[in-house]
Amino acid sequence: EPEVTQTPSHQVTQMGQEVILRCVPISNHLYFYWYRQILGQKVEFLVSFYNNEISEKSEIFDDQFSVERPDGSNFTLKIRSTKLEDSAMYFCASSVDRAYEQYFGPGTRLTVT
Amino acid sequence: AQKVTQAQTEISVVEKEDVTLDCVYETRDTTYYLFWYKQPPSGELVFLIRRNSFDEQNEISGRYSWNFQKSTSSFNFTITASQVVDSAVYFCALSALGGSNYKLTFGKGTLLTVNP
Repeated sequence: EPEVTQTPSHQVTQMGQEVILRCVPISNHLYFYWYRQILGQKVEFLVSFYNNEISEKSEIFDDQFSVERPDGSNFTLKIRSTKLEDSAMYFCASSVDRAYEQYFGPGTRLTVT
Repeated sequence: AQKVTQAQTEISVVEKEDVTLDCVYETRDTTYYLFWYKQPPSGELVFLIRRNSFDEQNEISGRYSWNFQKSTSSFNFTITASQVVDSAVYFCALSALGGSNYKLTFGKGTLLTVNP
């Protein structure tokens, strides 16, 4: 069964460093998303992406964040200058259409020290 | 604005008991979708069900059932004859089709512990 994959599973970085989180969505899906979950809290929307552009972003998704689909399979989230409060689990998701269920990857645990 | 409230933070039951997880939502949109996701201790988010706002028919899938009531803006989830493997955090989520709202708005989740 097709699934969303994410790499790395765990990333440790120092404050101020840039990180890139990678995702491979399900191949026939057209809508892509990033969410984050701070430990023990709810899942929060960051950004949605369709047709090679951002379709919606939350207040969390400030200028330090960017997304890209560099080729036909990968979908990346970049944080330019990480802060301690960026420490969280980051989930990538994809859906075949915007109203359909989103399938989530296993997540990347980002730890900023 | 959209909001999902899961008032039950934690529930603990003994195996084989039935358990209902509550979900109340708020949206001004007339077209919307409701979801339940399961997050086991391993951390991934597993899709369980999607309902649209025009279909209030209850759904049953094995030991799982869902009760959608627009009159009370609720979408409750019942597990019948619970098992230890059902132990997880369960999230209710809402997606509305107003404007460009593609996102899922999640509730805070309910931690279900099923004890043997």
